Amino acid sequence: DAGVTQSPTHLIKTRGQQVTLRCSPKSGHDTVSWYQQALGQGPQFIFQYYEEEERQRGNFPDRFSGHQFPNYSSELNVNALLLGDSALYLCASSSGQGALGYTFGSGTRLTVV
Amino acid sequence: QKEVEQDPGPLSVPEGAIVSLNCTYSNSAFQYFMWYRQYSRKGPELLMYTYSSGNKEDGRFTAQVDKSSKYISLFIRDSQPSDSATYLCAMSRGGSQGNLIFGKGTKLSVKP
Repeated sequence: DAGVTQSPTHLIKTRGQQVTLRCSPKSGHDTVSWYQQALGQGPQFIFQYYEEEERQRGNFPDRFSGHQFPNYSSELNVNALLLGDSALYLCASSSGQGALGYTFGSGTRLTVV
Repeated sequence: QKEVEQDPGPLSVPEGAIVSLNCTYSNSAFQYFMWYRQYSRKGPELLMYTYSSGNKEDGRFTAQVDKSSKYISLFIRDSQPSDSATYLCAMSRGGSQGNLIFGKGTKLSVKP
C-alpha cells in the first residue's frame, strides 16, 4: 500500500519564478494538507484541501495557492518566489478534516537562488 | 511568545539511557498533543498522541501531558541508536481544526 507520494523530490528555482509541487495521498485518504519546513524549524501549516476546496489556511501570503483534484491528489503553487521560500514542503494526507491520522510524505526540497 | 516552544538541542546520549524531551505551549485551547519522529530526508511520522491531560505508554515510549502547566513530555526508555532522529511535538485544537502547530524539534543522537 503506497503511502503519500510527492514530486519532485528536489527542485532549484530562481527568484521571481513560479513552482508547482505535487502530492498523491495515501489510499483511502480524501484530505490533503501542506506544510512548509524551513531548515532547523518545525513544519508550518500552509493550507488544507478537502472536497476540492481550501478549507483552512495558515498565515501564508496569497502567493501560495493550491488545488485538489477529483482523485484527491493535490498541487501547491508558489508564485514570485523569494529566497525565503527555500524549504522542505511536506504534504500530509488524512481521512476527514481533523489533524489526527496524518500520513506525511517525504517532501519536496525547494531551493530558491 | 511562540505558541509552542521546544528546545532544539542537539541532545546526545549513550545507548540504553532514558531520554526526556519536552515542550511548553501557550494556547489553552489545545486538546490533542502529539509526538512525531523525523529521520533525515524523511517526513514526520506519528509516534504517539494524547487527548487532554494524562499519560500514555507504548512500548519504550511514554507521553505525558500536564495541561495545568501547559507542559508535555516524551520519555524514551532503553534508547537505541535507531532512535536517533529529530523529535517534534505538535498540538491541535481538535475537531475539524486540521492544522497542527509544531515545535522546532529536538535533534537526538544515541551513541552505541
